[in-house]
Amino acid sequence: QSVLTQPPSVSGAPGQRVTISCTGSSSNIGAGYDVHWYQQLPGTAPKLLIYGNSNRPSGVPDRFSGSKSGTSASLAITGLQAEDEADYYCQSYDSSLSGRVFGTGTKVTVL
Amino acid sequence: EVQLLESGGGLVQPGGSLRLSCAASGFTFSSYAMSWVRQAPGKGLEWVSAISGSGGSTYYADSVKGRFTISRDNSKNTLYLQMNSLRAEDTAVYYCAKSGPYSSGPDDAFDIWGQGTMVTVSS
Repeated sequence: QSVLTQPPSVSGAPGQRVTISCTGSSSNIGAGYDVHWYQQLPGTAPKLLIYGNSNRPSGVPDRFSGSKSGTSASLAITGLQAEDEADYYCQSYDSSLSGRVFGTGTKVTVL
Repeated sequence: EVQLLESGGGLVQPGGSLRLSCAASGFTFSSYAMSWVRQAPGKGLEWVSAISGSGGSTYYADSVKGRFTISRDNSKNTLYLQMNSLRAEDTAVYYCAKSGPYSSGPDDAFDIWGQGTMVTVSS
C-alpha cells in the first residue's frame, strides 16, 4: 500500500480546471521532502511534469502547476485539453520506509 | 539526445533469476543517481531500488530487499538489476529512471525514463 494517497479519478470538460491531491504524512511530505508529479499517457513511460513541488521542466506547458502545504500536495491543470487524458502520479521520499514513494495514481478523464 | 534503453526482460519461472540492463546515453552517466521503478499490469508505479552516481550507495524497497541487487558500470554507461528468487508478484514492466539535476537528496525527481522492459514470473 502506498503512503501517498491520491483520488482514483478526476474528470472535467475541455477548458475547465481540475486538481489532484496527494496526501501524505509527517514522515514524507510533512517532513519537508519535495513532491514531484508525473504524467503517464496510455502505453507509455511516465514523464516528469512538476519537480520540487512547483517547478516545471522545460517544455511542460504552464497549464500545469503544483503546490505543497503541510502533509499534502496538489497538481492543478487549467484549460483542460483532450491530450491531458492520462494517469498522474505524485512522488516523494519517506523517512520511515527509507525509500522513494509514489502516490496511488489518478486517472484524468476529459469529458 | 538523452536516452535510457532497458533490456533483459522475459518470462521466468517462480524462484528463477533474471538480470535487467539499462544503457544510458546523452549525459554524464556517473554524475547521476539511477533507479529502477516497476509497474504491475494495470497497477501504479512502485519504486524498487536506487544507486548513487559512484555506485557506492544502494537502496531497496522492502518488497525486494535481499532478493534484488542494483549495480552500475560507469565505464559502460550501464545500470543493472539482478533479480533472484522471483515471485509472481514481481511481474511488471521495469523502468530505469535517471535522477534529475534539481537536487542531490533522496527526494530527487526522475527526469528521464526508459521505455521499460516486461518481466513475467509464471510457471
